[in-house]
Amino acid sequence: GDSVTQMEGPVTLSEEAFLTINCTYTATGYPSLFWYVQYPGEGLQLLLKATKADDKGSNKGFEATYRKETTSFHLEKGSVQVSDSAVYFCALSDQSGYSTLTFGKGTMLLVSP
Amino acid sequence: DAGVIQSPRHEVTEMGQEVTLRCKPISGHNSLFWYRQTMMRGLELLIYFNNNVPIDDSGMPEDRFSAKMPNASFSTLKIQPSEPRDSAVYFCASSGAAGAINEQFFGPGTRLTVL
Repeated sequence: GDSVTQMEGPVTLSEEAFLTINCTYTATGYPSLFWYVQYPGEGLQLLLKATKADDKGSNKGFEATYRKETTSFHLEKGSVQVSDSAVYFCALSDQSGYSTLTFGKGTMLLVSP
Repeated sequence: DAGVIQSPRHEVTEMGQEVTLRCKPISGHNSLFWYRQTMMRGLELLIYFNNNVPIDDSGMPEDRFSAKMPNASFSTLKIQPSEPRDSAVYFCASSGAAGAINEQFFGPGTRLTVL
């Protein structure tokens, strides 16, 4: 079945550091890929998405490129802020038509001033 | 739009009691998902509905768990009887028409504590 693997956290960075959170997936066909973010005490929010190979999703300074050859969708940001501290989830959507998502286990990011 | 609405936001109950969690999806969305989140197991999909019909309930952990969607604007997740290991944050999410690549919109969650 489909699966998503993320790097384990927590990832601890200083403000303005470069961020990479690795995500790889296993799926049949051509899934869509997503990054969701969960701030403390809140539900998950879509951060960015990509629907086909070589697409780049971007939002709020975050970027991720859909790499079919390496089955990866790594999340990057050039300069993190304290407010980026949250849990980040990589996910894929199959082609079943019901918008179901398979999530990774999440990676906690802690940014210190 | 108010987004996905869940109630209550917090619930504390004693073992053996019945617990009912409620969800109002975004108007116009036709898919609804119930998730459970714990430190140990992460985010788990419990059940999802399409056009008010349950499509897959294979994630429901036991017969103590049941979910209904009587109409397009309301769903419940019931636990009877509740146990301490049911303590978790329960999320409801909704999304648009099937057959398209759609974002799931999550509610704020219900934090359940079973003593």
